[in-house]
Amino acid sequence: GEDVEQSLFLSVREGDSSVINCTYTDSSSTYLYWYKQEPGAGLQLLTYIFSNMDMKQDQRLTVLLNKKDKHLSLRIADTQTGDSAIYFCAESADNAGNMLTFGGGTRLMVKP
Amino acid sequence: DTGVSQNPRHKITKRGQNVTFRCDPISEHNRLYWYRQTLGQGPEFLTYFQNEAQLEKSRLLSDRFSAERPKGSFSTLEIQRTEQGDSAMYLCASSFRQQTEAFFGQGTRLTVV
Repeated sequence: GEDVEQSLFLSVREGDSSVINCTYTDSSSTYLYWYKQEPGAGLQLLTYIFSNMDMKQDQRLTVLLNKKDKHLSLRIADTQTGDSAIYFCAESADNAGNMLTFGGGTRLMVKP
Repeated sequence: DTGVSQNPRHKITKRGQNVTFRCDPISEHNRLYWYRQTLGQGPEFLTYFQNEAQLEKSRLLSDRFSAERPKGSFSTLEIQRTEQGDSAMYLCASSFRQQTEAFFGQGTRLTVV
């Protein structure tokens, strides 16, 4: 079955770049997503990338996809304390995000 | 508020009782999904509906779990004979047709004592 793995924790200083990594096993993944979850809040979709793309940039966020290695990363430039949250990588094998498989989440802590 | 709405936000129940959660999707979203999130884990897909049709239910955790969306609008998730292992956050999401973005509600946190 599908499996999505992430490191548990990342700590950075305010103003630095953060890079959160994710690996997945399902070669039929069509879309790969990054979600953000703050305490007491629901999941917020940050960005997604189609499997035929290598990179996607959206303001401070850059997503890199290495399909050969099944590796996805999220880079946050100029990380702010408000970026402190849990970040989830997710994949789906269809084109409508119906059945997302999530990783366990990476807790990002931003120190002032 | 026009986001996905879930009620109640918190539910404490005794083991063996039945519980029902409600999800109101974003208006005009025809797809609705249920996920479960246990502490320290990512969400786990349970089931989804397109309009009133439940198109995938093999991932429901046991036959104690059931979901309905009778008129293609709001949905309910019922857990019968709750067990302590059912304690988790139950998340609902909705999306519009083939769009890739699913919007999540804030969840219902269930505690079984």
